[in-house]
Order: sequence, then C-alpha cells, then structure tokens
Amino acid sequence: DVKVTQSSRYLVKRTGEKVFLECVQDMDHENMFWYRQDPGLGLRLIYFSYDVKMKEKGDIPEGYSVSREKKERFSLILESASTNQTSMYLCASSLLGSGANVLTFGAGSRLTVL
Amino acid sequence: SQQGEEDPQALSIQEGENATMNCSYKTSINNLQWYRQNSGRGLVHLILIRSNEREKHSGRLRVTLDTSKKSSSLLITASRAADTASYFCATDFDPGGFKTIFGAGTRLFVKA
Repeated sequence: DVKVTQSSRYLVKRTGEKVFLECVQDMDHENMFWYRQDPGLGLRLIYFSYDVKMKEKGDIPEGYSVSREKKERFSLILESASTNQTSMYLCASSLLGSGANVLTFGAGSRLTVL
Repeated sequence: SQQGEEDPQALSIQEGENATMNCSYKTSINNLQWYRQNSGRGLVHLILIRSNEREKHSGRLRVTLDTSKKSSSLLITASRAADTASYFCATDFDPGGFKTIFGAGTRLFVKA
C-alpha cells in the first residue's frame, strides 16, 4: 500500500525551539508539499518541491524552511517556533506530468507550541 | 489567495439522504478536485474533474462543474454514517499545476 508517512503525529514544543517535521513517501513522486491546516482557514500551502534540492514558496512561507536532499524525503523546519505556528501540518506528494496535481497526503502532524 | 469556498460550512443529514456540497472559486482553473478528511487525519482524494468536463461519477459520488459560474458541486447519494467527514474542494489554476489551493471545507455529519 503506497503511502506518505509523517514521522510524528503529535509534538509539543516550546517557543524558540527548532522543530523538524519529517515526511517520507514511497511512491517515487517528484512533487512534495507542506500545508498547514487551521480551523476555518482550510489548507494553506507553505512550501513545495518538484525535484531534489528544489523548493518553491507557497502562500505562507514566513517562519518556515524546507529541505529535500533525497527524492523520497521532504522536511519542514521551524527555525524558532512561535505560538502562532501551533497547527496541523500535512505533507503530500504527487506525480509529475500526470496532467493534474492529485495529492496523496500523510496522516498529519499536530504541533503545539507553548 | 485564490481559494475555493465551500457551502454550506456544515451539514447534518439522516442516513440514506443525499448530501450536496458546493464550491465556488475565483479564477480560471485547469482542474478541480474533491477530497475527504476524517477527523484528525490526512485528506483522501475522491474525484477529479477537468475544466473541459461538466459531470463525473464515481460510485455514490457525482461531481458537476460549471466554469461559467466558477462553481462545482459534490453530491453523495444514499449517505451512510461512514460518510461523516469534512469535504474539501481544491483547484489547480497555475500552468505548472503545482499550487493546489483548498477551500475551508464542509463538515458533513450523517446521523444513523
């Protein structure tokens, strides 16, 4: 069963800590994405990557960075966590050139910043 | 942000009834997709409709697309308690197709 795996389902961090959210996919997809989901706001795109070592800003990149050193792995980094980054973080992947960006999502990582 | 907007925000129906959710968007699109999210989990892709299509079916799901009105609807027929979830429309509008934009979702509750 193909899937996207997010390493942590629940995290609690303190303000100012550096936070790593890891995502691995086993479908050999070229594209990978990080979204955050907040009540009433839907999903908002933070960053995406269409190839190894490539990254593009989404709609809300401020306060975040990403790393894609291998095709299957896409990491989201919060350099200095703040309380307004408390959220559900969703990783997704898709196949390049399929004509449509059909996303396969991980189960999500719920981050609480105290 | 060029976001889809779902209507209604929440919907409560009896098992066996049909559920209709609507989505409106702001700009021309390449494709429109619908996803389902069970509580606290990731999203699951349900169906995709391309901009040159008007209607698609998948099992108990029927999706329509009206590009002149920039709107889509998702109909779930003969709903079941297991259909209880949030439903999101998502639009691909940029030429590269990487920036899929989601609406805020419709929360559907199906009472047994």
